[in-house]
Amino acid sequence: EVQLLDSGGGLVQPGGSLRLSCAASGFSFNTYAMAWVRQAPGKGLEWVSTSNSGGFRAYYADSVKGRFIISRDDSKNTLFLEMNSLRVEDTAVYYCAKCTVTSAGGGFDSWGQGTLVTVSS
Amino acid sequence: QSVLTQPPSVSAAPGQKVTISCSGSSSNIGNNYVYWYQQIPGTAPKLLIYDNNKRPSGIPDRFSGSKSGTSATLGITGLQTGDEADYYCGTWDRSLTAEVFGGGTKLTVL
Repeated sequence: EVQLLDSGGGLVQPGGSLRLSCAASGFSFNTYAMAWVRQAPGKGLEWVSTSNSGGFRAYYADSVKGRFIISRDDSKNTLFLEMNSLRVEDTAVYYCAKCTVTSAGGGFDSWGQGTLVTVSS
Repeated sequence: QSVLTQPPSVSAAPGQKVTISCSGSSSNIGNNYVYWYQQIPGTAPKLLIYDNNKRPSGIPDRFSGSKSGTSATLGITGLQTGDEADYYCGTWDRSLTAEVFGGGTKLTVL
């Protein structure tokens, strides 16, 4: 059974940094692209970033480009999201998601439980 | 403003059928697979339909997907109160080089 456990959320001041983690199990982690999707309070889903299998290529939403970095440690089956220069509008529940294929563009067939990031002074 | 357009809400009685539309363009729906997700409030999204019309294991055949040109449709038959949720369409946009979602449709089973 695929399991994704998101962690690392919390309260941070504007301009601060935070690192999210997603521990994966139940599938061949290194074979699949992995992504982060967020949902602001009361709003819809917003894709944040995708890392292709192997971690050699990453894609970012324009809203986070230059501030967020996605990475993965295939030896530990873990996905990360380094978030810098955080803004109030980054406040959201962040979900780790498993892609259906090895590269971006294949949709998401499993989701973590989400971790809440609150950016506020 | 979402790249993909969905109706904000739909409603129908138990046992009835409902469809949810998702409209895009040639850079997204027109040239890529469409995915549908169900999100019950307070929980993580769940994949309902992949590759336009395929159902993952465990998803009942009451749920169906179709695509024509730059639009896609999710159909739900035999509505149950447990189907009340937000439904999102999603796909890859080649021009934006980004995954895009619709704004979501809230289904109410009256």
